[in-house]
Amino acid sequence: EAGVTQFPSHSVIEKGQTVTLRCDPISGHDNLYWYRRVMGKEIKFLLHFVKESKQDESGMPNNRFLAERTGGTYSTLKVQPAELEDSGVYFCASSQGHQPQHFGDGTRLSIL
Amino acid sequence: DQQVKQNSPSLSVQEGRISILNCDYTNSMFDYFLWYKKYPAEGPTFLISISSIKDKNEDGRFTVFLNKSAKHLSLHIVPSQPGDSAVYFCAASPIAGNTPLVFGKGTRLSVIA
Repeated sequence: EAGVTQFPSHSVIEKGQTVTLRCDPISGHDNLYWYRRVMGKEIKFLLHFVKESKQDESGMPNNRFLAERTGGTYSTLKVQPAELEDSGVYFCASSQGHQPQHFGDGTRLSIL
Repeated sequence: DQQVKQNSPSLSVQEGRISILNCDYTNSMFDYFLWYKKYPAEGPTFLISISSIKDKNEDGRFTVFLNKSAKHLSLHIVPSQPGDSAVYFCAASPIAGNTPLVFGKGTRLSVIA
């Protein structure tokens, strides 16, 4: 079984530019989560999809962040325009039912 | 305000000995707790979980203990192996599945051969 896949693994962009992160969950997993870890701090929740619907987006920092999950399969997280404080590692996780969440290896985002 | 706290940033243990990682939480609504292990440049990998109806769950070398009255849980690794060297995250949620996890800051475990 393929795990959660995230692309790109690393992205370096300048402040003000746009970046789009992609997550492919484990096949058949209805739940998809985005998390972020900034500078060695705790991993913080951003938002939760159930299939294609946003179940909870209470962790999204501001309206520069836009997440989509068209068709209930893969998800994208777009940051536009990127700011310096957006740097960090963005993790995607998926789960089904009451099973634990499985995480991807993350996208390391560096804003210069 | 941190709801899940791992107060030890790092821990060193000799190979073969027991590793004990601690975690405290403040939110009484948490009923499901998990431990994840993370290697550099990889995502967190699920290790073991426990729900509040239990006080202990065991899986091979890994045991998680939950003291709900103290809002404290711990992960015991016996015997510790060099491959266990990683960052361990404690996480909590109100129910098992379908809800976001709240993580601690992690404890870096170094197992010395």
